[in-house]
Amino acid sequence: GAGVSQSPSNKVTEKGKDVELRCDPISGHTALYWYRQSLGQGLEFLIYFQGNSAPDKSGLPSDRFSAERTGGSVSTLTIQRTQQEDSAVYLCASRRGTPYNEQFFGPGTRLTVL
Amino acid sequence: GQNIDQPTEMTATEGAIVQINCTYQTSGFNGLFWYQQHAGEAPTFLSYNVLDGLEEKGRFSSFLSRSKGYSYLLLKELQMKDSASYLCAGLRSNDYKLSFGAGTTVTVRA
Repeated sequence: GAGVSQSPSNKVTEKGKDVELRCDPISGHTALYWYRQSLGQGLEFLIYFQGNSAPDKSGLPSDRFSAERTGGSVSTLTIQRTQQEDSAVYLCASRRGTPYNEQFFGPGTRLTVL
Repeated sequence: GQNIDQPTEMTATEGAIVQINCTYQTSGFNGLFWYQQHAGEAPTFLSYNVLDGLEEKGRFSSFLSRSKGYSYLLLKELQMKDSASYLCAGLRSNDYKLSFGAGTTVTVRA
């Protein structure tokens, strides 16, 4: 595929359960971002991976959130002990080269915590 | 803070022109991106302005004034398919991350 893909597209879970969200970036893109989008809110930055550098985790809202990127490609965002306020659309984006280049977004995972 | 402000909603008629304004704090940003997001879909890139002035791409144009902390996206000859949310995002100069506005939902009516 030519674009960024994410799975699952929808996830419904019960409060307290753990969830894993997956992102497959565009091949060759060295930068990968995770964002959260809530209704009426702007995209909220969560975490940023750039090549082999240590990730920028400054946007993660709590220690229940973590992410990893294996082999410089696929990334997984994990939310432990989900809460209702975690309900949102989680978007992944990847970029080549410099930050002045556009980010390419995946379709997102809609997470609903009951 | 590094707020990005844009109107929440705009409505226009098919064939008309709509201008979506975006304001931001002048210090702290290296440029402005505009993205289009249809309901339930991924945001897609429209434009990036790093220098002052107007950049035209077909029916869409984007303008930037760095001294005034102001940008706009101009949509001409509106079509029904232009109904979407338009996101303004500033590239932060301290860490090169994007700060997004809440988005402007444009509704095009026949």
